[in-house]
Amino acid sequence: DAGITQSPRYKITETGRQVTLMCHQTWSHSYMFWYRQDLGHGLRLIYYSAAADITDKGEVPDGYVVSRSKTENFPLTLESATRSQTSVYFCASSESPGSPLHFGNGTRLTVT
Amino acid sequence: DQQVKQNSPSLSVQEGRISILNCDYTNSMFDYFLWYKKYPAEGPTFLISISSIKDKNEDGRFTVFLNKSAKHLSLHIVPSQPGDSAVYFCAASLFGNEKLTFGTGTRLTIIP
Repeated sequence: DAGITQSPRYKITETGRQVTLMCHQTWSHSYMFWYRQDLGHGLRLIYYSAAADITDKGEVPDGYVVSRSKTENFPLTLESATRSQTSVYFCASSESPGSPLHFGNGTRLTVT
Repeated sequence: DQQVKQNSPSLSVQEGRISILNCDYTNSMFDYFLWYKKYPAEGPTFLISISSIKDKNEDGRFTVFLNKSAKHLSLHIVPSQPGDSAVYFCAASLFGNEKLTFGTGTRLTIIP
């Protein structure tokens, strides 16, 4: 089925560990995004990508790393997880600037 | 600094009545606005959008109104149905720009 999938759906990790959240889309959309959702803050942009090998920072990029070697994949890595990174993470894609975002179902990450 | 604000965290409305969700923004450069709907354990889904050249856009039971001078937009749902119970996010961007700034969300509950 066409769509955008995130894995894992749930993850518990310890402070200081590296963790990677995966995102895969089948539409061949150029643009991909990572957002985090926190109570009182809504959705905040972490990183985005306009095409393979092109990435840029969003509003809250500190502590995160992204890569995009293939159009369909956009993994998000927490290099050394902290408790403040406990959140729900959403990956999204869009066809072009200004077109609506299509979101995955999210990854709930807990850092203990 | 929250550039897009939804000041009502929650709203309860009787089934069949009108639901009005409000959103304010501070960045006068924003000229494209969207509403997303989110069910629990799912990603947000696009609902309706409006560009700053319009003051109203309708799609079935959903209408978005934009008041540029007040930097305010609202989403009207008529008539409200139980399936409309969800969290609603407004979002804003510069037209043609890929980055969206989201509000904090309003949880709408439709009472049967």
